[in-house]
Amino acid sequence: SQTIHQWPATLVQPVGSPLSLECTVEGTSNPNLYWYRQAAGRGLQLLFYSVGIGQISSEVPQNLSASRPQDRQFILSSKKLLLSDSGFYLCAWSGTIEQFFGPGTRLTVL
Amino acid sequence: DAKTTQPPSMDCAEGRAANLPCNHSTISGNEYVYWYRQIHSQGPQYIIHGLKNNETNEMASLIITEDRKSSTLILPHATLRDTAVYYCIVSDGYGGSQGNLIFGKGTKLSVKP
Repeated sequence: SQTIHQWPATLVQPVGSPLSLECTVEGTSNPNLYWYRQAAGRGLQLLFYSVGIGQISSEVPQNLSASRPQDRQFILSSKKLLLSDSGFYLCAWSGTIEQFFGPGTRLTVL
Repeated sequence: DAKTTQPPSMDCAEGRAANLPCNHSTISGNEYVYWYRQIHSQGPQYIIHGLKNNETNEMASLIITEDRKSSTLILPHATLRDTAVYYCIVSDGYGGSQGNLIFGKGTKLSVKP
């Protein structure tokens, strides 16, 4: 069966510090992968999606970036965090019908 | 922007049916209606989807109007564990890159004992 992992589960970082969130998927190959962010009291916002290794599409301009170094690994990064980067970050992969979401990382930027 | 409109909140008594409405008046002919729900502090969970026929699975039923401009998600016997935010989404793909899911604010369903 397929599983999706995200770490860390929670993270507190100072403004201006770098960020690296990792997502890995097991039990499937060549999945479409997604990064979403959910700010407090708001809906999910699609940040990036990837259809293959090294292929990244950005949905919104921001100081975040994404990379896909391996087929089932998706990384969200920032060189310098902003206060507005705080939120709940979710990774997902798409199956035949639906998207499957990971447990999420709650990021607080202070 | 999301192409759907949902009430921000609804209440339902435990054991009763929960009927969650969704308007999608600009839906295109090749777009599906998807429903997901998000329990607090978890990732969204797929519930059901449909194109134009009514659909039913072990979780819920989806009723789509004939003109496809609106739909209703039905939880036949709501339990306290069904308390969540429910998202109605229209998409022209199966969640792949050609049909990215655009989440709105959803409906917060509160099931009360």
